[in-house]
Amino acid sequence: DTAVSQTPKYLVTQMGNDKSIKCEQNLGHDTMYWYKQDSKKFLKIMFSYNNKELIINETVPNRFSPKSPDKAHLNLHINSLELGDSAVYFCASSQVKVSGNTIYFGEGSWLTVV
Amino acid sequence: AQSVSQHNHHVILSEAASLELGCNYSYGGTVNLFWYVQYPGQHLQLLLKYFSGDPLVKGIKGFEAEFIKSKFSFNLRKPSVQWSDTAEYFCAVNAEYGGSQGNLIFGKGTKLSVKP
Repeated sequence: DTAVSQTPKYLVTQMGNDKSIKCEQNLGHDTMYWYKQDSKKFLKIMFSYNNKELIINETVPNRFSPKSPDKAHLNLHINSLELGDSAVYFCASSQVKVSGNTIYFGEGSWLTVV
Repeated sequence: AQSVSQHNHHVILSEAASLELGCNYSYGGTVNLFWYVQYPGQHLQLLLKYFSGDPLVKGIKGFEAEFIKSKFSFNLRKPSVQWSDTAEYFCAVNAEYGGSQGNLIFGKGTKLSVKP
């Protein structure tokens, strides 16, 4: 069973389009994240939701809008796609504990904007 | 601001060689430390983590890491690498952000190439 699953795995789309990436976790975690990995493999957090509430919103263009319908889902919607949005987007989740916070990643969504 | 430095961009080793990948972080408070591995074309997998206790932690696939608080370091080691260890390795720190919910701050990664 895939703990953190995201779809689609590969997405090729034209500039200006709007696209969504879906994410679901079956671990019962209370916190979900979106990370972006650029062409140089650098990973950086974009958003974090805890119990459907936005906790972290890094300096991401407002064309990116996360939506969390429930604790187990965190979808990423991107409007007006640009070439620079091409990257791998990783969904992740964790159960926040005082003792520590282990984050588990999905398999990634490879987005190519042409 | 917190940051994580991985000193080696690309490490090339022969099979059976010993491995040590450096990781230093800058954060004065309590941190959780992680090493993740990303095999070519795949997602991030947790190798090991340090929350508290014994500073020498053992992970999967024969990897271990030592937390040295005075040096703000968390170096990854493996006594004998295999060709299948070829991957990108990321050190990460989970620092405080608005309470106990932290986000992972990653280093830039170290690419390990193991020659058969």
